Amino acid sequence: KQEVTQIPAALSVPEGENLVLNCSFTDSAIYNLQWFRQDPGKGLTSLLLIQSSQREQTSGRLNASLDKSSGRSTLYIAASQPGDSATYLCAVNGYKLSFGAGTTVTVRA
Amino acid sequence: GAVVSQHPSWVICKSGTSVKIECRSLDFQATTMFWYRQFPKQSLMLMATSNEGSKATYEQGVEKDKFLINHASLTLSTLTVTSAHPEDSSFYICSATPGDTGLAGPTGYEQYFGPGTRLTVT
Repeated sequence: KQEVTQIPAALSVPEGENLVLNCSFTDSAIYNLQWFRQDPGKGLTSLLLIQSSQREQTSGRLNASLDKSSGRSTLYIAASQPGDSATYLCAVNGYKLSFGAGTTVTVRA
Repeated sequence: GAVVSQHPSWVICKSGTSVKIECRSLDFQATTMFWYRQFPKQSLMLMATSNEGSKATYEQGVEKDKFLINHASLTLSTLTVTSAHPEDSSFYICSATPGDTGLAGPTGYEQYFGPGTRLTVT
């Protein structure tokens, strides 16, 4: 059974600081890994998808890395803004999509 | 592209009644759709996987007679919560993919998520 862990559970930073969110998973037999953003009471917004053959993906201020052999992915958000405040979910796609519990980020103005 | 809608966005019903939630892929054909539920402050848990034209596959612990799933077309899946009780109150989210899970599991296609439906049972 795939176990997905996200550390830290919560993070508060001042505006402008870079964010580093960690995701680890126990079964390296995956097709891909996705990072999502979820605002309170809302659905999921897909941020980045990394196929198992890739090492990283970038989109604007976001960069996600994947080390499948060690079961780790990291999401970097550069120059954080108050609008980045949300919960960030990591999801690993093996036989099914397994989600971590998320990291709740607060960016202070 | 790749937009998934859900209807209704929120619903309040009385205990004992049934509620139907629709999930639609608006600009692609969804061979496979997934239903998740999310309790407050918790992550998403997969309830079931449905392929168009066949019976849904339910995760362990999910009552198939209580959560009826129908995937009658390539753009529509419905989840019916039968005889709803307060403990069924949750956030239900669907996702859709053009990929076919087949028997060997998903092929790595990206899943596109709907905006979710907040169900409150009084």
